[in-house]
Amino acid sequence: AQSVAQPEDQVNVAEGNPLTVKCTYSVSGNPYLFWYVQYPNRGLQFLLKYITGDNLVKGSYGFEAEFNKSQTSFHLKKPSALVSDSALYFCAVRARGDNTDKLIFGTGTRLQVFP
Amino acid sequence: EPEVTQTPSHQVTQMGQEVILRCVPISNHLYFYWYRQILGQKVEFLVSFYNNEISEKSEIFDDQFSVERPDGSNFTLKIRSTKLEDSAMYFCASRRTFTVSGANVLTFGAGSRLTVL
Repeated sequence: AQSVAQPEDQVNVAEGNPLTVKCTYSVSGNPYLFWYVQYPNRGLQFLLKYITGDNLVKGSYGFEAEFNKSQTSFHLKKPSALVSDSALYFCAVRARGDNTDKLIFGTGTRLQVFP
Repeated sequence: EPEVTQTPSHQVTQMGQEVILRCVPISNHLYFYWYRQILGQKVEFLVSFYNNEISEKSEIFDDQFSVERPDGSNFTLKIRSTKLEDSAMYFCASRRTFTVSGANVLTFGAGSRLTVL
């Protein structure tokens, strides 16, 4: 069965420091991988996706994520955190080749960036 | 930037009552979805809808649930007789096309929080 794990409920980081939000997945075959972010009182917003090709994908607001097939991970990173990055981050996966377009989400990780 | 709009933002209801959650997807989108998140748990897929019919549903989406696109703009989720365990945040999402690569990017609404007492 497909699944996504976000092992940290919350990540705290000082402004200006690098940040990492972890995600591992389990899916049969090769995955499509996504990161979404939710700001207070807003919907989930798309950040970035991995489809194929370069394992390092760049997305909105300076975020990037690295697909690591051997570790089945897709960690979200940013070199220098901003206070405005504080939000709830969701990792999601979809298996290739399935006759489905549903996304499987993790439980979310709350990122808190302190000034 | 176009948004998916959901109403109400929060609804409190008694167990056994019917609830309708409303969504206005982005106007040129063709594929519509409902997901939900029980507090502290994963965001879960409920149902997808295309061309005026359900294209896929999860095991959560039982006979108590239904979806409808009554007027070409609204997309509704109805829970016929609510249970305590239906308390959750319900997210509507929409997407314009189904790409061959399957790299679908959904646009989500802000969610409707349902509390069943």
